[in-house]
Amino acid sequence: AQSVTQPDIHITVSEGASLELRCNYSYGATPYLFWYVQSPGQGLQLLLKYFSGDTLVQGIKGFEAEFKRSQSSFNLRKPSVHWSDAAEYFCAVVIYNQGGKLIFGQGTELSVKP
Amino acid sequence: NAGVMQNPRHLVRRRGQEARLRCSPMKGHSHVYWYRQLPEEGLKFMVYLQKENIIDESGMPKERFSAEFPKEGPSILRIQQVVRGDSAAYFCASSPGQGRNTEAFFGQGTRLTVV
Repeated sequence: AQSVTQPDIHITVSEGASLELRCNYSYGATPYLFWYVQSPGQGLQLLLKYFSGDTLVQGIKGFEAEFKRSQSSFNLRKPSVHWSDAAEYFCAVVIYNQGGKLIFGQGTELSVKP
Repeated sequence: NAGVMQNPRHLVRRRGQEARLRCSPMKGHSHVYWYRQLPEEGLKFMVYLQKENIIDESGMPKERFSAEFPKEGPSILRIQQVVRGDSAAYFCASSPGQGRNTEAFFGQGTRLTVV
């Protein structure tokens, strides 16, 4: 069955430090992958997506993610974290042959120390 | 072009009451998805609808939950006889289609509290 795993439930980084959030997927076909961010009490905002082509994708707010088929991973990175990046981050894979529904990981909560 | 609109944003119901959650998709979008986010958990797919049709309801609880997307008007997620365990954030997403390279856009969610 298709699944998405985010191994880290909670990560704390210092402001200005680099960030990497891990995401692993299990999907038989070519995956279409997304990263969303959710601030407390808010909806989901799309950070970036991978459909095909260049395996390093750029998103909004200075985020990027790299698709590695051999590792079944789609890790999210940012070179320098800002206090406003504190939020919950969700990785997801879309299942197009099942109507386009999204399968989400459990989420990683990011805290930023001053 | 307004985004996906969900209302109400917050809903409080007593146990045994009915909850009706509304979702107006983006203009031109005919595909609607409902997801539920329980406290401290990720989002779980509930149901996928196109206009007047339920396409996939594999994530819907078997009892008390129903969804519709009429020809006119918003999509409705209905929960009858709510219980405390129904307390969650319910998100709606819409897309213009289900083809590859399309993405879904999310509403702000409805946070249901059952007391």
